[in-house]
Amino acid sequence: NAGVTQTPKFRILKIGQSMTLQCTQDMNHNYMYWYRQDPGMGLKLIYYSVGAGITDKGEVPNGYNVSRSTTEDFPLRLELAAPSQTSVYFCASSYVKNQPQHFGDGTRLSIL
Amino acid sequence: ELKVEQNPLFLSMQEGKNYTIYCNYSTTSDRLYWYRQDPGKSLESLFVLLSNGAVKQEGRLMASLDTKARLSTLHITAAVHDLSATYFCAVDSSDMRFGAGTRLTVKP
Repeated sequence: NAGVTQTPKFRILKIGQSMTLQCTQDMNHNYMYWYRQDPGMGLKLIYYSVGAGITDKGEVPNGYNVSRSTTEDFPLRLELAAPSQTSVYFCASSYVKNQPQHFGDGTRLSIL
Repeated sequence: ELKVEQNPLFLSMQEGKNYTIYCNYSTTSDRLYWYRQDPGKSLESLFVLLSNGAVKQEGRLMASLDTKARLSTLHITAAVHDLSATYFCAVDSSDMRFGAGTRLTVKP
């Protein structure tokens, strides 16, 4: 029962570097989401996808890009890392919109 | 723009006491979720409320939804230490918005 798997779990980046946060789910869920959680705060939606080939912006998309070439995978790309992107990033999935989301364990990202 | 407000943000309770967490939201929606997060961990789904008047209960937690008042409540009955965690409500309108969370500490 893998569920939602995120890699890496921790990463430190220098300002201006780029990286991809990986997310894969094995539940055949149509919907996938990327959130960020700043310390002591709730989650903010970055991007979401309702199926392979379809993505849409959430509340805080600037500085990020996503793709959804398969049902299972939903990577999040940071092109030019900035200190403001230091956060914990969660990937989540659900089969349909009205079902609760299943969350991965998160990626702790620090940009120095 | 959808805004989701939770209160209180911090709650310290004695074991055995009852309390209610409130979640207000600003636009029409009939999809509301409650999640629990333990420190340093991911989020765990507690309840999904999909219609006006919906009530769900699991153990010492009961959630309800009033879509006309744009209000959901999470009621804690006879709190125990294991309920210490941060509780988030989330509202699904055009996209998903989370409240800031209520950090609950239950003291012996």
